[in-house]
Amino acid sequence: GAVVSQHPSWVICKSGTSVKIECRSLDFQATTMFWYRQFPKQSLMLMATSNEGSKATYEQGVEKDKFLINHASLTLSTLTVTSAHPEDSSFYICSARVLSGRPSYEQYFGPGTRLTVT
Amino acid sequence: AQSVAQPEDQVNVAEGNPLTVKCTYSVSGNPYLFWYVQYPNRGLQFLLKYITGDNLVKGSYGFEAEFNKSQTSFHLKKPSALVSDSALYFCAVEGQNFVFGPGTRLSVLP
Repeated sequence: GAVVSQHPSWVICKSGTSVKIECRSLDFQATTMFWYRQFPKQSLMLMATSNEGSKATYEQGVEKDKFLINHASLTLSTLTVTSAHPEDSSFYICSARVLSGRPSYEQYFGPGTRLTVT
Repeated sequence: AQSVAQPEDQVNVAEGNPLTVKCTYSVSGNPYLFWYVQYPNRGLQFLLKYITGDNLVKGSYGFEAEFNKSQTSFHLKKPSALVSDSALYFCAVEGQNFVFGPGTRLSVLP
């Protein structure tokens, strides 16, 4: 089946620094990748939709200058949290939509990255 | 606007008993419906989906879900629960966007 990886799985950084999270589709090409944020005991909140080769589309209320998304290839999207603060601490999950000859409405999710900002 | 409701925050069931996790949705047009499961500190795992066809959809780990258009529901079911089924379950709908429900925590008691 389709596998999505994220790196790192967890990261601790100091306030004011930037952190980059990678999302890779390992055995398929993904035209679209999604970035979600999940707070403890809550549902996933869509942050942005990333299409290969174009600018990401951010959801309302998400700061595009703070959460930089780059989708450089059909298998890699990155999320950079710039000037991180403790309130950015969260579980970040990416997902990828399969590129195929017919519409596929299924998203494959990465294992998530736990970010802790001290 | 599309939305997903999971009316129960928590569902408790004894091992071996049948389980149901409820989901209702609101979306214009034909819905694409999904169930995902999340274990602690892990990403989401796909269980099953309804796109078209039979209203009863069978998925992974013995789970199934029934699409009911008149009641706009897509309840997740399993005939005999296992302790290892204890996790957080999310219903999702895709219309214009992909929207998750708030999640239901399932606890299967030995």
